[in-house]
Amino acid sequence: GQQLNQSPQSMFIQEGEDVSMNCTSSSIFNTWLWYKQDPGEGPVLLIALYKAGELTSNGRLTAQFGITRKDSFLNISASIPSDVGIYFCAGQSPGGSRLTFGEGTQLTVNP
Amino acid sequence: SAVISQKPSRDICQRGTSLTIQCQVDSQVTMMFWYRQQPGQSLTLIATANQGSEATYESGFVIDKFPISRPNLTFSTLTVSNMSPEDSSIYLCSVPGQGFGGYTFGSGTRLTVV
Repeated sequence: GQQLNQSPQSMFIQEGEDVSMNCTSSSIFNTWLWYKQDPGEGPVLLIALYKAGELTSNGRLTAQFGITRKDSFLNISASIPSDVGIYFCAGQSPGGSRLTFGEGTQLTVNP
Repeated sequence: SAVISQKPSRDICQRGTSLTIQCQVDSQVTMMFWYRQQPGQSLTLIATANQGSEATYESGFVIDKFPISRPNLTFSTLTVSNMSPEDSSIYLCSVPGQGFGGYTFGSGTRLTVV
């Protein structure tokens, strides 16, 4: 089946620093999604990408859909303590409805 | 986006028993999805629940262990049957987004089997 490799697995940064994480796939996706999960909660959608090469921002978050359709990255600028959580990428295959999730990136922000 | 109410939010169950998790959506949706998130792990799709037909299970998941009901377009249940400690996980339901895309998730059910 499809595999999504997400890196890094964890990050420890200082408040104010920028963060970058990425996902690569063994096959192409039509949609890339980035989610954040806080403890005790379900994942919350941050950014959705639908077109190869697309670059989308949501406040301090920026994500891009790779040209090859097999990768995506998420950047967080000027991190703040409430950015702490687990970030997941997810891809949706052409013609399918199911999502494949990356392994997650655990982000810790030190004030 | 749709609002999902999932319950219970958590439960501690004895091995060998069963637990039914409910998912209520505030709008009609064709497909609902059930995921499992094992401790410290990512989300794995268990099955897709369509109204009026049998659920479609992913590899490694079977109907006898995870029976699903989908009586209408706003509600679904997932039962975890004959539980063992290995079933201790967070179980989440999800529905496709409306308009903006993406998928919306419930807040999850944290299950501990002792």
